[in-house]
Amino acid sequence: KAGVTQTPRYLIKTRGQQVTLSCSPISGHRSVSWYQQTPGQGLQFLFEYFSETQRNKGNFPGRFSGRQFSNSRSEMNVSTLELGDSALYLCASSREGRKEDGYTFGSGTRLTVV
Amino acid sequence: AQSVTQPDIHITVSEGASLELRCNYSYGATPYLFWYVQSPGQGLQLLLKYFSGDTLVQGIKGFEAEFKRSQSSFNLRKPSVHWSDAAEYFCAVAGGSYIPTFGRGTSLIVHP
Repeated sequence: KAGVTQTPRYLIKTRGQQVTLSCSPISGHRSVSWYQQTPGQGLQFLFEYFSETQRNKGNFPGRFSGRQFSNSRSEMNVSTLELGDSALYLCASSREGRKEDGYTFGSGTRLTVV
Repeated sequence: AQSVTQPDIHITVSEGASLELRCNYSYGATPYLFWYVQSPGQGLQLLLKYFSGDTLVQGIKGFEAEFKRSQSSFNLRKPSVHWSDAAEYFCAVAGGSYIPTFGRGTSLIVHP
């Protein structure tokens, strides 16, 4: 079966711009989580969506937002980009978002802010 | 609160040698524990998980991990490392929150 698909794979944006990243989870998976990965901070949780509702949110500013559609596909948006937003953004899906499920990750979107 | 520590930033082993990657967690009760592997430029792949039962769990790619409650540890092992095992390994814990917290990762270097 198809894995978690993230688009685009690479992005270069200018400070102050906004960006939208997309994630298509594994078919049948209803929970989608987003993580930011940087060398300095490691993997940091952004938010989790389940059945079109944000169920959990990490400690990121309001410039970071997301949504989930009825087909479980998810997007995240970052407005007013800062240099520090340069990172690998990972999307992970699980069937029900339960502790024991574990995640299936996409390959990520590499965002560079210049 | 839940937390996880991977004490080793880098580990270097020779191909064919055994491997043990350390993971220590902090959580009051028995947590859900995971090991993931990340190859360069890729996302993370789940190797194995533990949440109850036999404390020695088998995973994919020949990896196993042992849960030791007394030491709050969940170390990953492999009896014989292959060059293709070179990657970043992440331990994760899900305790009170079902959102897992990831360790900072251990980079495995395999020498021929």
